[in-house]
Amino acid sequence: GAVVSQHPSWVICKSGTSVKIECRSLDFQATTMFWYRQFPKQSLMLMATSNEGSKATYEQGVEKDKFLINHASLTLSTLTVTSAHPEDSSFYICSAGDRYEAFFGQGTRLTVV
Amino acid sequence: AQSVTQLGSHVSVSEGALVLLRCNYSSSVPPYLFWYVQYPNQGLQLLLKYTTGATLVKGINGFEAEFKKSETSFHLTKPSAHMSDAAEYFCAVRGGGADGLTFGKGTHLIIQP
Repeated sequence: GAVVSQHPSWVICKSGTSVKIECRSLDFQATTMFWYRQFPKQSLMLMATSNEGSKATYEQGVEKDKFLINHASLTLSTLTVTSAHPEDSSFYICSAGDRYEAFFGQGTRLTVV
Repeated sequence: AQSVTQLGSHVSVSEGALVLLRCNYSSSVPPYLFWYVQYPNQGLQLLLKYTTGATLVKGINGFEAEFKKSETSFHLTKPSAHMSDAAEYFCAVRGGGADGLTFGKGTHLIIQP
């Protein structure tokens, strides 16, 4: 199957700073990528849909000014958590693919201290 | 809109026994259904999927699932559990388009020696 690479796999940052997470489709072009958030021992919740060359579409309740998404090329989407707070600590996972299949990155464990 | 219900947040079976993980879905359009497995601090790996065609689908690692429209179910089975099957399993649905997936809450599979 196709490969989606996510970087970094884990990051620790201080409260108030910003963190950028990268999601790359390594062997295919992705006009659409998705960002999910997973709290400990819980399911994945869709945060936003990242569209190449246009604005991301955010799910209800997700702060678009806190979670900035940029999809500048067909192989790269980035999620920036701005002014991070401890409650933003979570596991963030991206995916890309088509309607028949979604390939997931390995996830990023964000810890805000 | 779509939703997924996974019955049983934890399922425990003996090694060699049948594995049955239950998934029921709700969708206003013909659904695409997926089962994913997640190991700790890792992304999701696709086990199998149903899009169209044969309702009994076979996946990796000996897993299979049957799409039953009349029951709105997509239960996951494996004839003989292996210790390496211990993980978190997620059922997911997509409403036929290119939208993000809607996940169930997950089932933690425990394999007893």
